[in-house]
Amino acid sequence: NAGVTQTPKFQVLKTGQSMTLQCAQDMNHEYMSWYRQDPGMGLRLIHYSVGAGITDQGEVPNGYNVSRSTTEDFPLRLLSAAPSQTSVYFCASSYYAGRNYGYTFGSGTRLTVV
Amino acid sequence: GDSVTQMEGPVTLSEEAFLTINCTYTATGYPSLFWYVQYPGEGLQLLLKATKADDKGSNKGFEATYRKETTSFHLEKGSVQVSDSAVYFCALSAATGNQFYFGTGTSLTVIP
Repeated sequence: NAGVTQTPKFQVLKTGQSMTLQCAQDMNHEYMSWYRQDPGMGLRLIHYSVGAGITDQGEVPNGYNVSRSTTEDFPLRLLSAAPSQTSVYFCASSYYAGRNYGYTFGSGTRLTVV
Repeated sequence: GDSVTQMEGPVTLSEEAFLTINCTYTATGYPSLFWYVQYPGEGLQLLLKATKADDKGSNKGFEATYRKETTSFHLEKGSVQVSDSAVYFCALSAATGNQFYFGTGTSLTVIP
């Protein structure tokens, strides 16, 4: 089925460890983004990309890196995990032509940092 | 800057009750407006959208009308079901550029 696929669904890390959250979409969407969802704070944008080779920071980029080598994939890297990064992470993609026409979301990665 | 404000929850309703979740926005120009729904343990799903003033988005019995004069996009449903229990997010896509803004979400619980 067409959509946004995130892996893993659950992950526990120790403080200081690094890891990569995977995101892939098969809809040929130009725009991809990463959000984190925390209780009472809604969704906050971490990084986004408007096409292969182009990335930019969102509202809360510190501690995270991204790259976009292909249209399909947009991995999120945690460089040195901290307990403050315990959250649910969502990848989203959309058709983009000068404005965002609405996202398709992945099912999320629940990350716990101990 | 652009922003979205939606009513705080949680909201608890009995089955078949009328639902309204308020959403107002601040934006330059003519943004697109969206409602997303998040069921427990899942990602957000697009529920409905409206891309210009006076448009009405509708889906699964839910409706919302893009009101430029009141800068609002309130979500309504005439008769809620237990299966509508979820968190609802209002969102705005800026008239130009990359920006996409979410409200903080409203939790709805429908009891039999």
